[in-house]
Amino acid sequence: GEDVEQSLFLSVREGDSSVINCTYTDSSSTYLYWYKQEPGAGLQLLTYIFSNMDMKQDQRLTVLLNKKDKHLSLRIADTQTGDSAIYFCAGATDSWGKLQFGAGTQVVVTP
Amino acid sequence: NAGVTQTPKFQVLKTGQSMTLQCAQDMNHNSMYWYRQDPGMGLRLIYYSASEGTTDKGEVPNGYNVSRLNKREFSLRLESAAPSQTSVYFCASTVGGSNSYEQYFGPGTRLTVT
Repeated sequence: GEDVEQSLFLSVREGDSSVINCTYTDSSSTYLYWYKQEPGAGLQLLTYIFSNMDMKQDQRLTVLLNKKDKHLSLRIADTQTGDSAIYFCAGATDSWGKLQFGAGTQVVVTP
Repeated sequence: NAGVTQTPKFQVLKTGQSMTLQCAQDMNHNSMYWYRQDPGMGLRLIYYSASEGTTDKGEVPNGYNVSRLNKREFSLRLESAAPSQTSVYFCASTVGGSNSYEQYFGPGTRLTVT
């Protein structure tokens, strides 16, 4: 199965860029995702990337995929206090949507 | 359009008690999932239902049973609760098949077993 690892904590100043990193073990992962969880809430899909892509940009979010190193990153430009949350990286190797999640990175944005 | 709803939001059980967590979606999704979230461990898949009438075990199924009552509803049952089942439980759904890349999550049920 898939193992997904993330650093647990990131502190960033408001207005700076945040970069959250993730590594995964299963090279057959077809889809890779970033989810956001705000306190007391469920998970919200932020963005995803297919394994045949290297980069995806969506407004302030940029996802980079390095398939050789099995490394995924999420860059948030102009980080705002509303971006404070836990960010989960997840991978799926089949079309049934069974996701393998990392432990989550807590992002704290300071003024 | 409520999305994915879960009941109850909070529950406290004594060891050995049973309960059923309810989940419903109104998006006409085919696939539904139950996850548990424990501190520092991300979400782990308990059971899933790829389509109405089918259920399969996920990563951590022991101590749980599920029922896919109809296309909308997918319930999770704890027959004899244990303190190790203290967790936050999330239900999710997705279109299914090759379009399963976006899962929609409910708000979660926070369960404490004493």
